[in-house]
Amino acid sequence: EIVLTQSPATLSLSPGERATLSCRASQSVGTSLAWYQQKPGQAPRLLIYDASNRATGIPARFSGSGSGTDFTLTISSLEPEDIAVYYCQQRTNWPPFTFGQGTRLEIK
Amino acid sequence: EVQLVESGGGLVQPGGSLRLSCAASGFTFEYYSMSWVRQAPGKGLEWVSVISGNGASSYYTDSVKARFIISRDNSKSTLFLQMNRLRAEDTAVYFCAKGRGTRWPATSDDSWGQGTLVTVSS
Repeated sequence: EIVLTQSPATLSLSPGERATLSCRASQSVGTSLAWYQQKPGQAPRLLIYDASNRATGIPARFSGSGSGTDFTLTISSLEPEDIAVYYCQQRTNWPPFTFGQGTRLEIK
Repeated sequence: EVQLVESGGGLVQPGGSLRLSCAASGFTFEYYSMSWVRQAPGKGLEWVSVISGNGASSYYTDSVKARFIISRDNSKSTLFLQMNRLRAEDTAVYFCAKGRGTRWPATSDDSWGQGTLVTVSS
């Protein structure tokens, strides 16, 4: 089973700052990695698929990069509504389709 | 507009059974794989199961194998999760999710329901 490790566990930044979230896989997943955003009390929402493709309706300030074992989700300029927990998920070596443990993004 | 609406959650005793449903609308249901993902209270996301568009293939995470059964009725655009021999650790909000694109398996899920809470307790 592939293990995804996300860092940091919590990120606290001010509006307008750049956020960089990391997801590291225990073995290569190619580019079969997705990022999800989950706001409090809501269902997850797909942000990025296949490592670097923005899902429909996702603002351009969200971008994904990486391949193999190291992936990054970048939010170029934080907005207050970006408060959420962010999860990565791999779909190369399955089952299971493993998720990372999440990064909580707080706005100062 | 894609809509996914889960139902069937509730309180059940350890060892009991429950059947979750997910009513889908706004897309051609039979073309897409569907998944169940759960989230224990205060915890992260855990993938549970996936089924192909035609229902011929299905997979499970190890902890639910031989206890849970995923199925679908394409004529009614409905996804199911039959949960048997429930344990306290199955307590979670259960989300259904639609695969993005018609590839099998989908590389991500692009629409999610709001979830239904399952509580396993005596």
